[in-house]
This record gives sequence, C-alpha cells and structure tokens, in this order.
Amino acid sequence: NAGVTQTPKFQVLKTGQSMTLQCAQDMNHNSMYWYRQDPGMGLRLIYYSASEGTTDKGEVPNGYNVSRLNKREFSLRLESAAPSQTSVYFCASSALWLVAAYNEQFFGPGTRLTVL
Amino acid sequence: KNEVEQSPQNLTAQEGEFITINCSYSVGISALHWLQQHPGGGIVSLFMLSSGKKKHGRLIATINIQEKHSSLHITASHPRDSAVYICAVVTTGTGGNQFYFGTGTSLTVIP
Repeated sequence: NAGVTQTPKFQVLKTGQSMTLQCAQDMNHNSMYWYRQDPGMGLRLIYYSASEGTTDKGEVPNGYNVSRLNKREFSLRLESAAPSQTSVYFCASSALWLVAAYNEQFFGPGTRLTVL
Repeated sequence: KNEVEQSPQNLTAQEGEFITINCSYSVGISALHWLQQHPGGGIVSLFMLSSGKKKHGRLIATINIQEKHSSLHITASHPRDSAVYICAVVTTGTGGNQFYFGTGTSLTVIP
C-alpha cells in the first residue's frame, strides 16, 4: 500500500498562474483533507471531504477550490496563485469523518509550493 | 488567539533523558491527537485520546479533560526521536467538526 500520495512534491509558480495539487489514497478511506503549513503557525485546514461526493470549507478556503473526483482522489486547485499561498500543502485521509478519538489521519508527504 | 498552545516551543535533550511536551487548549473537545513531523516533513499520527492515558513503546500520552491539558512523554529518549511534535484538537458543534493545531514542539535529542 502506498498510503497517501501527493503530486507534485515541489512547484514554483508566478503570481496569477493556476495549478492543481493531486492527492490519492489507497486505504479505502471515506474522508480526505487538505492542509497548509506555514512557519510559526500550526497546520490549517483548507477544505475537507467527509465522504465521496461532499466537500466543505475549512479554516482558510479563500483562493482555493477542491474536487473529490472519486473515493480515492481529492484535488486542490489554485485558480490564480498569490505569494500568500506560498506554503507546504499536506493531504490527509481518515477512515471516517473525524468525530471520534479513534479516527487516525494518514498524511501525504507534502507539496512545497512557492509563488513568486 | 490560539485555541491550542504547546510548550516548550523548542527542546534539546541528552540521549536517555525523560521528555515531557505539554499541550493546553481552550475549547471543549471530542478528541485530541499527537502527531510527529519528521525532519523530512512527513507527518505521522502517534496517539488519539479522548480520556485517560495511552502508551506506545517509549511514548506515553495523557489527557486531563477538566484541566484542558495533555502531555506527551518520551522515556529513554533517542536521537531518532528528534522531530516536531504537534498537538491537535477536534471540536464538534452545530457547524460540524473544527480542527485546531498547535504550532509544534521541536525536539532535538543529542547522542
């Protein structure tokens, strides 16, 4: 099992460019998440998908869109990248919507994005 | 305002020392998680707690719901324990689940 995979690992964009970060999991998990991690700040939830066919905003959704393509895949799109979106992006998945103590989250390796 | 505060921010220990990392939170929670972020950036879930205490090898996590406090202990620390340890809490309300993460405690264990 590969677990949670993310592509690309690194990306440099110019302001205004668009791109899609891809995430896939092979654990048959229902729930998937996108986080960003910035220096001096904790992980912040951008969007999540509690189950296939649903997506919801997290703490910092502005400037992003998501698509839950199927149960395995959850993509994050930046339509018009801004320097403030320079960050490390993590995708994660869990078996169930994170409501109980036993729902472990599995994280992907991260994507380091720089917007110039 | 940070819903989750961790202390210390940075910690250096000699190999073999007993280590404690603290997490305090200000919201009512349904679960608390301890995560480990390796120097290469990968994140692994260590513990999930809603009450009491859990143990995995040399790692012990405790939570006191009344005091809104959790601790992560590492016994007989080893250089491979060097990582950032992140506390995260989940609250459940009418708006659904909310996630709050601490900024992490950076641990360095010196041989």
